[in-house]
Amino acid sequence: DAMVIQNPRYQVTQFGKPVTLSCSQTLNHNVMYWYQQKSSQAPKLLFHYYDKDFNNEADTPDNFQSRRPNTSFCFLDIRSPGLGDAAMYLCATSRPGTGNTEAFFGQGTRLTVV
Amino acid sequence: QKEVEQDPGPLSVPEGAIVSLNCTYSNSAFQYFMWYRQYSRKGPELLMYTYSSGNKEDGRFTAQVDKSSKYISLFIRDSQPSDSATYLCAMRNNFGNEKLTFGTGTRLTIIP
Repeated sequence: DAMVIQNPRYQVTQFGKPVTLSCSQTLNHNVMYWYQQKSSQAPKLLFHYYDKDFNNEADTPDNFQSRRPNTSFCFLDIRSPGLGDAAMYLCATSRPGTGNTEAFFGQGTRLTVV
Repeated sequence: QKEVEQDPGPLSVPEGAIVSLNCTYSNSAFQYFMWYRQYSRKGPELLMYTYSSGNKEDGRFTAQVDKSSKYISLFIRDSQPSDSATYLCAMRNNFGNEKLTFGTGTRLTIIP
């Protein structure tokens, strides 16, 4: 019954080694988001897709990239992870314009950089 | 000044107590207000959703929005140990911009 699925749940990567996190959804929502959440902090929006349109936040480092090959899937690529990139990465979806505007979150991927 | 301010707690109350969680915000364009519950090492799950000012009740949970004061609240009645989690307020505007702005979350512990 899972609606927003993130893989893996836990990821350990080496400093500077590229890593990809994945998100899939069964809700057919046209908006997909990636948030970064560090301990005891608010989720911070990195970017979002409105259909195929990519919207990058102004303060998202260039080290972070995203791909959305189709409606159901979205990927977060971290090109050269640093120690400061260790965090929980949350994928979310929403479907605006239907009166139902809340965002549905996946379980998150906890990234550790060693 | 942050757009959304939320007391991070931690907040500990005995089982059965009424819990009040609050957020203030500065952006008068916010129209949609949400409360998410996040258990440790899990993603946030939506608890309550309110459009504009007013109250909304769902079981033991009541959400209040006072746009004139830029203040929102979540009340939990008859609190249970299973309510122990971090509660995040979130809000967004009505301009077709789908970005949610979150508070930092309040960590709540219900003591049996």
